[in-house]
Amino acid sequence: DQQVKQNSPSLSVQEGRISILNCDYTNSMFDYFLWYKKYPAEGPTFLISISSIKDKNEDGRFTVFLNKSAKHLSLHIVPSQPGDSAVYFCAAATTGNQFYFGTGTSLTVIP
Amino acid sequence: EAQVTQNPRYLITVTGKKLTVTCSQNMNHEYMSWYRQDPGLGLRQIYYSMNVEVTDKGDVPEGYKVSRKEKRNFPLILESPSPNQTSLYFCASSSPGQGTYGYTFGSGTRLTVV
Repeated sequence: DQQVKQNSPSLSVQEGRISILNCDYTNSMFDYFLWYKKYPAEGPTFLISISSIKDKNEDGRFTVFLNKSAKHLSLHIVPSQPGDSAVYFCAAATTGNQFYFGTGTSLTVIP
Repeated sequence: EAQVTQNPRYLITVTGKKLTVTCSQNMNHEYMSWYRQDPGLGLRQIYYSMNVEVTDKGDVPEGYKVSRKEKRNFPLILESPSPNQTSLYFCASSSPGQGTYGYTFGSGTRLTVV
């Protein structure tokens, strides 16, 4: 059973606009959430994370929001740039370092 | 340069022929892990290791073995590969001291079993 779900396989956004990527999870025991970015022929690279005790974490153009009651997190990219075009994976982790990844959302930023 | 190195990058093999995919990290990380990426299924954890001689099963361990004899190396062994193990494999490492639980991933090994 998929514990972390990304229901949108793909997303297209105009350059300069906001990109919002969503992720849902089922296990309330997760205590850390992360977003990874993946380009073709490369491994995923860590983008941003958030602890379960917070509801927002910001790093430059990237902001992650966590809604624990809804078991939902989202990644906002503002403004979106063509170089942001990639596959984005959300992941959730327990203290035992067991990671669970979503299926990924392919973001295309149109110039 | 801090990195996770996997070899080989590409491998085509036949059913039943034992193979090993090597993984090495130069960051002195305690945690190492293997994932496979399949279309529509995302990244699924095969095995992970929290330190030398400590390994544990992830979500999809069947058909795989690992060992962690040294801190820097975490090879993935397929004793008798089958076509359903055709996939893109990633090795990753991290350290609890990083504070973010973020894994550093290798560039991937694309395995085809015919």
